Amino acid sequence: DTGVSQDPRHKITKRGQNVTFRCDPISEHNRLYWYRQTLGQGPEFLTYFQNEAQLEKSRLLSDRFSAERPKGSFSTLEIQRTEQGDSAMYLCASSSSLLTGEQYFGPGTRLTVT
Amino acid sequence: TQLLEQSPQFLSIQEGENLTVYCNSSSVFSSLQWYRQEPGEGPVLLVTVVTGGEVKKLKRLTFQFGDARKDSSLHITAAQPGDTGLYLCAGARSNTGKLIFGQGTTLQVKP
Repeated sequence: DTGVSQDPRHKITKRGQNVTFRCDPISEHNRLYWYRQTLGQGPEFLTYFQNEAQLEKSRLLSDRFSAERPKGSFSTLEIQRTEQGDSAMYLCASSSSLLTGEQYFGPGTRLTVT
Repeated sequence: TQLLEQSPQFLSIQEGENLTVYCNSSSVFSSLQWYRQEPGEGPVLLVTVVTGGEVKKLKRLTFQFGDARKDSSLHITAAQPGDTGLYLCAGARSNTGKLIFGQGTTLQVKP
């Protein structure tokens, strides 16, 4: 399977705990994006990387959120001191073409904060 | 501020009917994508339109990009129960490629 993969698919955590999600993009794609989707809404942009450089972060990304892509391949998204409002689907997408804007999404990580 | 407005938000139709979903914005996008999403899964790319006025067909689905690259439509002919899902339009910014999504159209096709 050469698509985008995400791990874990589901995460249940207690408020105040830290969680980390992983995304493995399509191997030849140099751009990687993180989005968050709540029930009944379209995904909202969080941040993106070109190779290992994090080039943009949304205002949605509070200081409790951090993302890395250390070698320009896989990426991690960490949420510290989780809050119930962090409950959402976290989606990762990768792209090779800035011209067409085509992005290919992973299956997502569903986070539930109790 | 919702930059992309999708309508309708919900649509429930009988098998065999035709439907159109609209995606409108006051902003110009370098390209526009349509995705279909199943519950608990990530969005799956259906089509990308890049040129103003462009029309693309994918079997029973027809996608159109507005001349000014601000709006788009998705038309499904003879809908089938397998078309049931959440349809999302997303506009891309040329400088970053990040996608701005509409709120989605939930389509239910009843047999």
